[in-house]
Amino acid sequence: DAKTTQPPSMDCAEGRAANLPCNHSTISGNEYVYWYRQIHSQGPQYIIHGLKNNETNEMASLIITEDRKSSTLILPHATLRDTAVYYCIVRNYGQNFVFGPGTRLSVLP
Amino acid sequence: DTEVTQTPKHLVMGMTNKKSLKCEQHMGHRAMYWYKQKAKKPPELMFVYSYEKLSINESVPSRFSPECPNSSLLNLHLHALQPEDSALYLCASSLEFTGGPNEQYFGPGTRLTVT
Repeated sequence: DAKTTQPPSMDCAEGRAANLPCNHSTISGNEYVYWYRQIHSQGPQYIIHGLKNNETNEMASLIITEDRKSSTLILPHATLRDTAVYYCIVRNYGQNFVFGPGTRLSVLP
Repeated sequence: DTEVTQTPKHLVMGMTNKKSLKCEQHMGHRAMYWYKQKAKKPPELMFVYSYEKLSINESVPSRFSPECPNSSLLNLHLHALQPEDSALYLCASSLEFTGGPNEQYFGPGTRLTVT
């Protein structure tokens, strides 16, 4: 079973920041938080991962709370092409990636 | 280059046919994966290969037979499938299976229809 809880859907206006929350209250000390997204009928795309510290790359920022029980993926300036299902996954080394239902993000013009 | 390629893109097969799906990566990754994704559902892991050896089989029926001929190639041989096996089949790879964060990179998938 997935170890994360995400809202089933969210809307965001084009050009605004999209903030996608993820709850992982049972996360253990060695487990990483990963984010993937899947645009309709394509393979999942890796976005970012982190352990404790906030992370940023060219696609997004990942903010992990100090107690590590939740995180937020931030897309700073959402575009229509960011419309996708976003998956938050918690995983330790050598464990399988278990995908939950994810959040369906709709970016609206 | 973070590309995983899969062929064919689409496949229609009868229940008595034998077919194969192919996956290839040239990133030097030593772990490769097969996932199955039904419509409107998340991907589900089927098999994991680590250093060309089968490490995980998630209780997949024997009509699905994986093969890893070398570190760059992963095949999924299909035989006597059922209509409920119709799905998107995704291949992924990562640097390793254990020993690090090892994010996975996915191919575009093969959409399989069993008639």
